[in-house]
Amino acid sequence: EVQLVESGGGLVQPGGSLRLSCAASGFTFSTYYMTWVRQAPGRGLEWVANIKGDGSATSHAESVKGRLTISRDNAKNSLYLQMNSLRAEDTAVYYCARILWYGDLWYLDLWGRGTLVTVSS
Amino acid sequence: EIVLTQSPATLSLFPGERATLSCRASQSVSSYLAWYQQRPGQAPRLLIYGASNRATGIPARFSGSGSGTDFTLTISSLEPEDFAVYYCQQRNKWPFGQGTKVEIK
Repeated sequence: EVQLVESGGGLVQPGGSLRLSCAASGFTFSTYYMTWVRQAPGRGLEWVANIKGDGSATSHAESVKGRLTISRDNAKNSLYLQMNSLRAEDTAVYYCARILWYGDLWYLDLWGRGTLVTVSS
Repeated sequence: EIVLTQSPATLSLFPGERATLSCRASQSVSSYLAWYQQRPGQAPRLLIYGASNRATGIPARFSGSGSGTDFTLTISSLEPEDFAVYYCQQRNKWPFGQGTKVEIK
């Protein structure tokens, strides 16, 4: 079955760290760009970061640059988000998703169910 | 930076009615726009890409149109499962619109 399954969320104190994982199955993971998108409680979708299939290129939203870092391990069919110096405003459900391309448009055709990160003392 | 603005914020309709959702870009994005549906407690689901191409498995009652700066998602006849939040998305720095909630009247 083609799917993405996130894990690693939880409660963390401000200033703390967390690493999210996303396990991919049912498709050739290494050939796809991947992304993290988050959603704060009751709010809309916010893009966090993208990574190229071979891991050679990444891009991050300005709001997370220097604190949240996307990476991948193609041998393990896994996507990661290393989260450091966490703030209350990072509280959200974090989704991993698979990227497809239509010309210059990247869009997201496969989503995981999300993992909740709560930053609070 | 290109920003997407969705309207209305909330659309109140009866089942069976036609829904028309708007997404406006602050600058042209050509046809590089996607639409997603998010039901309560669920992950988003791709509906439309390239402004007008339905994703795999999406019912024909969903259609997308537009190019440049003005885009529309139309649901021809609302089914109970269509009451959800809809987001548009473009390729640039702030990809997502703020969403339109379609609620039962």
